Amino acid sequence: EADIYQTPRYLVIGTGKKITLECSQTMGHDKMYWYQQDPGMELHLIHYSYGVNSTEKGDLSSESTVSRIRTEHFPLTLESARPSHTSQYLCASSERGGSGSMDPQETQYFGPGTRLLVL
Amino acid sequence: AQKVTQAQTEISVVEKEDVTLDCVYETRDTTYYLFWYKQPPSGELVFLIRRNSFDEQNEISGRYSWNFQKSTSSFNFTITASQVVDSAVYFCALSEAAPNSGGSNYKLTFGKGTLLTVNP
Repeated sequence: EADIYQTPRYLVIGTGKKITLECSQTMGHDKMYWYQQDPGMELHLIHYSYGVNSTEKGDLSSESTVSRIRTEHFPLTLESARPSHTSQYLCASSERGGSGSMDPQETQYFGPGTRLLVL
Repeated sequence: AQKVTQAQTEISVVEKEDVTLDCVYETRDTTYYLFWYKQPPSGELVFLIRRNSFDEQNEISGRYSWNFQKSTSSFNFTITASQVVDSAVYFCALSEAAPNSGGSNYKLTFGKGTLLTVNP
């Protein structure tokens, strides 16, 4: 089981502000992910990283950016927040569970989430 | 493209009833994993179970049980004698190879979730 932390848990901010959502994990997992969850419950992958200096865009286009300078840290930044960014943001991490490059035995463990409200 | 369907958007039961949450998936991969996660009102996703495509044995963990049927591409989740604390959104998910990874990295495809409400 992973220990994965997200701060802040709740954020209310005005339009145009720059914000950074923090995500840290203490398990040394190589892989980290950001999901956006809309009020209708559906989860959308917006960014992922397979290791330090590796970042990829996910399935849902997002105006946010991410960085991975340290293994344990995967922050997400919005340069100019807008009401359309209001959502819950969930961070996750995983490590390869089995041997062999074709083994998808990777369980993603999630942080508690950040609920963002942009006014 | 891989797909996970949770046809039940919302289910409401009375405490102590048994309830089954359905999950149907589509994939072209021969090796894949299926997952169930629970999301209580507090918001975090809690991992419940992982099952690989080669293991069709059903699994039971306390009041929880999972029925994996490869022939019907289903991975259903049953809660026996439901309790109010079981109220949550439950997600089924399927692992898929990430694009341009050469099969070395995988990411999850989630269903849309089922909101379970257990009333006292």
